[in-house]
Amino acid sequence: GAGVSQSPRYKVAKRGQDVALRCDPISGHVSLFWYQQALGQGPEFLTYFQNEAQLDKSGLPSDRFFAERPEGSVSTLKIQRTQQEDSAVYLCASRRGTENTEAFFGQGTRLTVV
Amino acid sequence: TQLLEQSPQFLSIQEGENLTVYCNSSSVFSSLQWYRQEPGEGPVLLVTVVTGGEVKKLKRLTFQFGDARKDSSLHITAAQPGDTGLYLCAGEGTGNQFYFGTGTSLTVIP
Repeated sequence: GAGVSQSPRYKVAKRGQDVALRCDPISGHVSLFWYQQALGQGPEFLTYFQNEAQLDKSGLPSDRFFAERPEGSVSTLKIQRTQQEDSAVYLCASRRGTENTEAFFGQGTRLTVV
Repeated sequence: TQLLEQSPQFLSIQEGENLTVYCNSSSVFSSLQWYRQEPGEGPVLLVTVVTGGEVKKLKRLTFQFGDARKDSSLHITAAQPGDTGLYLCAGEGTGNQFYFGTGTSLTVIP
C-alpha cells in the first residue's frame, strides 16, 4: 500500500477483554516497530521485527502483551486481559532497511479500556 | 523509561518568534532523528543527523547533532502557526531500534 495502515483506528474494550491490533506495513519494508504513546508524550518502544523475526521485545510491559509477524509483512499486537493502564495510542512503523533509513508511521490505534 | 529528555515540555509563543528545543541523553546514538506529530496522526520525519557536530537546515528549521552524539537541538526561526505540533527526537541504538524523547508540544499563536 501507499503507507502504513493500522486497524482499527479506535477500540474500546472492557477491562479483562482481549484485543488485537493490526498493522499493515509498506510493502517490502523489512523492519517493523510497535510503540505505545500516552497523550502528549513521546512514543515508548514496545517491540521490533526484522522480517518475521522478533529481534527485540524488551519494551513489552508485561506478559499480557504479545506481538507477531508470521509472514514478515502484516503484524498483530495482542493484549490479553486488558487493564485501564493499557489505554493509549499504539503506533506501528516500518522502514525499508535497517539502520538510518526513514521510518514511516501509521495513524495509530487509540485503545480505551473502560 | 525514555532514554532521551526533551526540554521544554511545553512551549507557547507568538507568531514570528524564534525558539529552540533541546534533546539530551547520557547514551551515544549512531544517528538522531527529529519528527513532528499532529493530533490523530503518526510522527513524520523531519531530518536525520548522523555525524557528531552536524548541522542541517530545512527552511526555517535548523538541526544540530552534538559532537559526542548524545544530544541535539532544533531551532525554529520566525515561527508560524503551521509549526504547531508535537516535536519528537529519536535516537538510533545499536540494534536498529530507535527510542523517542519525551516530546515538546509547541503552540504558535497567530
